[in-house]
Amino acid sequence: AQSVTQPDIHITVSEGASLELRCNYSYGATPYLFWYVQSPGQGLQLLLKYFSGDTLVQGIKGFEAEFKRSQSSFNLRKPSVHWSDAAEYFCAVDRGKFYFGSGTKLNVKP
Amino acid sequence: NAGVTQTPKFQVLKTGQSMTLQCAQDMNHNSMYWYRQDPGMGLRLIYYSASEGTTDKGEVPNGYNVSRLNKREFSLRLESAAPSQTSVYFCASSPDRGVGETQYFGPGTRLLVL
Repeated sequence: AQSVTQPDIHITVSEGASLELRCNYSYGATPYLFWYVQSPGQGLQLLLKYFSGDTLVQGIKGFEAEFKRSQSSFNLRKPSVHWSDAAEYFCAVDRGKFYFGSGTKLNVKP
Repeated sequence: NAGVTQTPKFQVLKTGQSMTLQCAQDMNHNSMYWYRQDPGMGLRLIYYSASEGTTDKGEVPNGYNVSRLNKREFSLRLESAAPSQTSVYFCASSPDRGVGETQYFGPGTRLLVL
């Protein structure tokens, strides 16, 4: 069964616009959730993670994510996108092993 | 600190050839992992090593073997490469195997099997 779904394969936003990348998970217990970013030709870098507590999590590079148990979602947001944010973003859930979503490629228009 | 390093960066193989992908970490982590990344499929776990001296299968282990040489190094071997193994391979490490541990990734090895 698919543990993590990222419904958007590609997203294009204009520089300075806000961004929201969607992530839905399927897991009965309290999940451990992560967002990673992969720049072209690079490995994955951790943006932020959620274990418990405050449902709004702050990460690096101005990103944040909100955990919504009722919607089984962990969406990533950024108020104002920079051209350097163009990359692929992966949501992951730790169920004893990491399960990654298929990724969302972000393109930033000048 | 170099973090997680992988060699080679790129490799072309012919069907049936063998090769070993090398991974090393300098963060004194106990756990190490090998993933493959294919378009539209995210990353899938091939094998992992929870601690030195132990290895376990992940989601897609067929056609691969691993060796945890010591605490720093974790290698992935393809004994007889197949075109289906064309992929980008990532090594990762984490302090321990516990749930919720952050994994730190290497830059990847791009493998093409002809």
